[in-house]
Amino acid sequence: EAAVTQSPRNKVTVTGGNVTLSCRQTNSHNYMYWYRQDTGHGLRLIHYSYGAGNLQIGDVPDGYKATRTTQEDFFLLLELASPSQTSLYFCASRGLGANTGQLYFGEGSKLTVL
Amino acid sequence: GDSVTQTEGQVALSEEDFLTIHCNYSASGYPALFWYVQYPGEGPQFLFRASRDKEKGSSRGFEATYNKETTSFHLQKASVQESDSAVYYCALGEASSSFSKLVFGQGTSLSVVP
Repeated sequence: EAAVTQSPRNKVTVTGGNVTLSCRQTNSHNYMYWYRQDTGHGLRLIHYSYGAGNLQIGDVPDGYKATRTTQEDFFLLLELASPSQTSLYFCASRGLGANTGQLYFGEGSKLTVL
Repeated sequence: GDSVTQTEGQVALSEEDFLTIHCNYSASGYPALFWYVQYPGEGPQFLFRASRDKEKGSSRGFEATYNKETTSFHLQKASVQESDSAVYYCALGEASSSFSKLVFGQGTSLSVVP
């Protein structure tokens, strides 16, 4: 069973604060993703990566940076957090092959920006 | 860019009712189509996929048929159970990104009462 672990699971910060969300996958998957989930909007793609050192821009990238340091680790950075970034964030990974497109999600990181 | 629209935001049914959740897409090229399910407190889980016109995907009693003419991939189940209560997401894999980028719909919350 694919495993994707996110930390922290809950985070509260203030406007202008600096936040890093971490994601580690232990499945040797090539692709990793960061989504945010909001009521009425579903899951929206922020950034994704197909390998260490690679970064692809998603659909809602403004205010977010991301870095893929190894095949296992993908970080989402909010350098000047704003209340509009209060959300539930999901990391996911995907391998190549017959099940192309099947994402394995973590359990989510709830971020509150006051 | 490519997009997915789910018509119903919420669906309330009784056990043994027939379920339909509507999903329509807009895409350039020939996308892959997916259904995911999310239970409370968890990340979304892959349900099934279809990658060509008239192909039927299915899992756990749920099914959907890829219809290129009507650009649809509607989710159906003949007899729902209380345990099916969850949020369901339709998604597409963009052909332009070799299916590496997945775009999700807004989600449909299904509530099934005994």
